[in-house]
Amino acid sequence: KAGVTQTPRYLIKTRGQQVTLSCSPISGHRSVSWYQQTPGQGLQFLFEYFSETQRNKGNFPGRFSGRQFSNSRSEMNVSTLELGDSALYLCASSLDWGMNTEAFFGQGTRLTVV
Amino acid sequence: DAKTTQPPSMDCAEGRAANLPCNHSTISGNEYVYWYRQIHSQGPQYIIHGLKNNETNEMASLIITEDRKSSTLILPHATLRDTAVYYCIVSRDSWGKLQFGAGTQVVVTP
Repeated sequence: KAGVTQTPRYLIKTRGQQVTLSCSPISGHRSVSWYQQTPGQGLQFLFEYFSETQRNKGNFPGRFSGRQFSNSRSEMNVSTLELGDSALYLCASSLDWGMNTEAFFGQGTRLTVV
Repeated sequence: DAKTTQPPSMDCAEGRAANLPCNHSTISGNEYVYWYRQIHSQGPQYIIHGLKNNETNEMASLIITEDRKSSTLILPHATLRDTAVYYCIVSRDSWGKLQFGAGTQVVVTP
């Protein structure tokens, strides 16, 4: 079956712009999480969604937002982009919410802010 | 969530077992131990997880000490494709809120 699909794979934006990234989880998976990966900070948790509700949020400014649709697809949005937002954004999905489950990660969206 | 300590890097010969240690001395009773790996430029890949019993799957074995303060991931027959950064994570929250550390860079050599 198809894995987690993230679109686009690569993106270049200018400071001050906004961007929307998309994540399609594995069919049947209802839980989606987002992570940011940079060389300096490593992998950092952004948000977690289950059944269209945000269950957890990481320590990121309000410029970072997300949502989940009824079909479990998720989007994240970053407004007023800063150079420091350049990163690999990873989405992961799981069958359910809570512990004792494994997460499947997508290939990520590489965002470059210039 | 408990913090983990892993060696920054380790080398392993192809075909040999790779034993990756992880220290999580402040782990609490309801925290799971997860292992993921990330091959360069790809998303992390789930390997295995456990609570207190040793676990084995087709990829690896997870050995958790009786006091649960440390664990070891064992790749039984390392291949060149196992070269990756390996992350040990402990978490009592949902799977989706994993706190990744710096991990261990494993290099498998011919």
